[in-house]
Amino acid sequence: DTGVSQNPRHKITKRGQNVTFRCDPISEHNRLYWYRQTLGQGPEFLTYFQNEAQLEKSRLLSDRFSAERPKGSFSTLEIQRTEQGDSAMYLCASSLQGNINEKLFFGSGTQLSVL
Amino acid sequence: DQQVKQNSPSLSVQEGRISILNCDYTNSMFDYFLWYKKYPAEGPTFLISISSIKDKNEDGRFTVFLNKSAKHLSLHIVPSQPGDSAVYFCAAREGGGGGNKLTFGTGTQLKVEL
Repeated sequence: DTGVSQNPRHKITKRGQNVTFRCDPISEHNRLYWYRQTLGQGPEFLTYFQNEAQLEKSRLLSDRFSAERPKGSFSTLEIQRTEQGDSAMYLCASSLQGNINEKLFFGSGTQLSVL
Repeated sequence: DQQVKQNSPSLSVQEGRISILNCDYTNSMFDYFLWYKKYPAEGPTFLISISSIKDKNEDGRFTVFLNKSAKHLSLHIVPSQPGDSAVYFCAAREGGGGGNKLTFGTGTQLKVEL
């Protein structure tokens, strides 16, 4: 068990470019979450998957954002036509469904800077 | 609409003393509360949690208190150690299904001084 892994750790891109981030959850965890954190704020929920099904999306997730978890294991988050306002830390978390005291385990995040 | 509020952006305490971090919430549907600790350039790590059916949970130096009528919870760290210096986030989960989506506060930067 190596924890939640996110790649890349840092991404610098120019406005208008597309970017894709990857998250590998803890292997036995069936739930996977994406959060976004900006400076001075707490993590904000974007979306979550149970196995391969995307069950909820926040209104923060505009049409330019898409997330997938094709085989119920790793997930990708793509941002199309990036804007400067997309600059943030993108955090992935995973959990194992079924425990009433279910806890989220977070990765180290991908820091996105849009120039 | 900030449903989880941490009104103190920072807190400074001396090593060995008690640290008290506060959190208020507005959503009465929250049934489970967690504290996460975050170091720079790392993701949040789980610290301690409490269910809404309890008013206290203790784990070593960390104790979380929940006052449902006041919609308030607090994290006590005693004794505080320099390694506790980090940003602490309060988080809450809404009951009734919907996965385990958490709503976070804005965090409190704790600094434990020698």
